[in-house]
Amino acid sequence: DQQVKQNSPSLSVQEGRISILNCDYTNSMFDYFLWYKKYPAEGPTFLISISSIKDKNEDGRFTVFLNKSAKHLSLHIVPSQPGDSAVYFCAATGSGGSNYKLTFGKGTLLTVNP
Amino acid sequence: NAGVTQTPKFRILKIGQSMTLQCTQDMNHNYMYWYRQDPGMGLKLIYYSVGAGITDKGEVPNGYNVSRSTTEDFPLRLELAAPSQTSVYFCASSYPVRSGANVLTFGAGSRLTVL
Repeated sequence: DQQVKQNSPSLSVQEGRISILNCDYTNSMFDYFLWYKKYPAEGPTFLISISSIKDKNEDGRFTVFLNKSAKHLSLHIVPSQPGDSAVYFCAATGSGGSNYKLTFGKGTLLTVNP
Repeated sequence: NAGVTQTPKFRILKIGQSMTLQCTQDMNHNYMYWYRQDPGMGLKLIYYSVGAGITDKGEVPNGYNVSRSTTEDFPLRLELAAPSQTSVYFCASSYPVRSGANVLTFGAGSRLTVL
């Protein structure tokens, strides 16, 4: 039973355009959502997070949008750069006693073409 | 500042062999985790620890054991390796926060193949 779903295994965009990566979740108890970026042969690295009480969080070229009623979040990268080519994982966590365990989606491979 | 260090990076095991994946962190993080990633899949939590002497099972603990004798180290033991344990293993650590997202710092991974 997948609680965090990334339904697009891959996405290809042109350099300079917008990349939009999507994530859906089923557990309404999730309070925080995180995006991780992973290059080949490296561990995932934290990119950006959002609290369930917000609908948007921005950090430079990266913006995460949360639609709590639809249980959907998205990561926007503008403008996309070739160095953004990586696997992006969406993750979610609860609060209180369980907020330290992250549940991950399967990931989306982003390819940014020069 | 090394962060989270995992050894070995690669290992090939025969069915039935045992081995330990080592993980150490130098950030004084209380919480540590072991995840595995199979091809095309997300990361699945194997075991985690909220402090020295305390460990608990995650989603996929069968076939593994852990110990946490110090804050820095969190080794993962495979007792009787099986082909189903072929995977990439990631160790991670974090500092618990009262509010806000729990951001994990990951090691570079250990690729294990069981033949």
